[in-house]
Amino acid sequence: EVQLVESGGGLVQPGGSLRLSCVASGFTFSNYNMNWVRQAPGKGLEWLSYINSRSSIIYYAESVKGRFTFSRDNAKNSLYLQMNSLRAEDTAVYYCASVAYDSSGYLDFWGQGTLVTVSS
Amino acid sequence: SYVLTQPPSVSEAPGQTARITCGGDNIGIKSVHWYQQRPGQAPVLVVHDDSVRPSEIPDRFSGSNSGNTATLTINRVEVGDEADYYCQVWDSSTDHPLFGGGTKLTVL
Repeated sequence: EVQLVESGGGLVQPGGSLRLSCVASGFTFSNYNMNWVRQAPGKGLEWLSYINSRSSIIYYAESVKGRFTFSRDNAKNSLYLQMNSLRAEDTAVYYCASVAYDSSGYLDFWGQGTLVTVSS
Repeated sequence: SYVLTQPPSVSEAPGQTARITCGGDNIGIKSVHWYQQRPGQAPVLVVHDDSVRPSEIPDRFSGSNSGNTATLTINRVEVGDEADYYCQVWDSSTDHPLFGGGTKLTVL
């Protein structure tokens, strides 16, 4: 069974930092391109960042470029999202999601999400 | 940049057919994917590549795509289908998924 399990969310003050993790199981993680997607309370889905299977290509949304860093460790089947200089508008549920292998770009599996709250 | 436009809400009575649209410039030449998100849960893929249904998704769900509009159709809609639905394409110019704003389906 494919599983993606995020962790690391919580309450952080504005300007603070947080590191999210996503552990994958049930598939050959090292073959898959991955994404972070977030959802602010009552809002829609917002793509944040993409990393290819070998970490040679990483893209960021403008809203987080320069503040967030996406990385992966294929040996540990893990993704990481280092979030710095956090703002109130970063408050959201953060999901990791896999891009279906050799596909037209749909996200076939999603984690359950981890909540990040930025507030003083 | 490319924009996907969805109606904020759609309502339908149980047993009827619900149609949720996703508009985009010449979207018919793109592959469109659909996700269902029930309250408090993660999104779930219900249709990919315009009309392909994952095996675990009921055949009441179907999709189509032509011209400037893609459509997710849910036949014999049930109360359990109440959810937010998002369309998505892959933005090949910037290599990332692009989502529509989402449509809240209410089954009255």
